[in-house]
Amino acid sequence: DQQVKQNSPSLSVQEGRISILNCDYTNSMFDYFLWYKKYPAEGPTFLISISSIKDKNEDGRFTVFLNKSAKHLSLHIVPSQPGDSAVYFCAASVGSRLTFGEGTQLTVNP
Amino acid sequence: ETGVTQSPTHLIKTRGQQVTLRCSSQSGHNTVSWYQQALGQGPQFIFQYYREEENGRGNFPPRFSGLQFPNYSSELNVNALELDDSALYLCASSSSQISYEQYFGPGTRLTVT
Repeated sequence: DQQVKQNSPSLSVQEGRISILNCDYTNSMFDYFLWYKKYPAEGPTFLISISSIKDKNEDGRFTVFLNKSAKHLSLHIVPSQPGDSAVYFCAASVGSRLTFGEGTQLTVNP
Repeated sequence: ETGVTQSPTHLIKTRGQQVTLRCSSQSGHNTVSWYQQALGQGPQFIFQYYREEENGRGNFPPRFSGLQFPNYSSELNVNALELDDSALYLCASSSSQISYEQYFGPGTRLTVT
């Protein structure tokens, strides 16, 4: 039972444009949602999070939107930079237990 | 501030053998979680340790076991290795057992032949 799902395995965008990564979930008990970035041969790096009681959280170029009625969240990166190229994982928590999606490979082309 | 470290980096074992993976948590963190990441998948929660006690477990069989030491470092032990155990094993530490913000190590790549 896949409680957190990222339907796009890959996304390619031009440098300077917006990247939008999407994530859907099924469990209404999740209390926080997080995005992690992962480079090859490294562990996932925490990027940004949002509480289930909020609908938007912004940190520099990164903004996460949460639509609880649709059980959907998205990560916006603007402007995208080549260094943003990585695998992005959406994760949801109940307490400190994280459930991850399958990941989306983002490629930002110069 | 020292980040999360894991050893070894890579490991090759034969089916049926046993393996021990090690993790040192980030300075000031008392909670360690272990995840298995199969190829092309997201990390899956194995279990969490808080103050040397198991504090939650995912859908993994008992042959996956762990320990946490007084300095909050941790071990993951897997007995009777199966081919499907081949994966990247990630350790993550956090400042408490209720904290959702977890900081990951680089992982141990286990190959079972």
